[in-house]
Amino acid sequence: SQQGEEDPQALSIQEGENATMNCSYKTSINNLQWYRQNSGRGLVHLILIRSNEREKHSGRLRVTLDTSKKSSSLLITASRAADTASYFCATAGPFGDYKLSFGAGTTVTVRA
Amino acid sequence: GAGVSQSPSNKVTEKGKDVELRCDPISGHTALYWYRQSLGQGLEFLIYFQGNSAPDKSGLPSDRFSAERTGGSVSTLTIQRTQQEDSAVYLCASSLRGGVTDTQYFGPGTRLTVL
Repeated sequence: SQQGEEDPQALSIQEGENATMNCSYKTSINNLQWYRQNSGRGLVHLILIRSNEREKHSGRLRVTLDTSKKSSSLLITASRAADTASYFCATAGPFGDYKLSFGAGTTVTVRA
Repeated sequence: GAGVSQSPSNKVTEKGKDVELRCDPISGHTALYWYRQSLGQGLEFLIYFQGNSAPDKSGLPSDRFSAERTGGSVSTLTIQRTQQEDSAVYLCASSLRGGVTDTQYFGPGTRLTVL
């Protein structure tokens, strides 16, 4: 069963705008990760945030984690057409569990 | 170096036939994972290898599914007597040690269509 649920399911924005998507999960975690998938193929790891961290940045990406609400958000700033993809959150843990539990993803379309 | 590779990239088969999907992990990665992604869904964990052993097969959906890994490298996922509900993209990933914070590197996947 899926641990995470992303919201919204789909998002369409203009190039240059920011895109925000949210992930909620059900059980305690060791960390939460965000992945990008282009054209229904392989996933690319974007960022990992540990359960004791609240915010993390990587380039144009900003991830927050609120363990009290069991939720995370991914912000992509100044979006580009190349950011068009599906974005998935995945949770790991809490007991050193190696397998990732993925949500159903948010499909982001960036219009030129 | 090369990333994770999978073959074939696409496989169309008839219901009832057996199929084999192959995964070549990143060299030196001891951990290997198989996931399945049905249309419009997230990834579903199938099996985890650490070296050649599979300590966790909990995600395999039925006894028609099996997997092996030889030489701590290449892995094969076999689906016997395929059913239409087996149609999905099968993704393989590898990580350096299998630790909970290890990045999992994914291959491009095999799209399986069962007619």
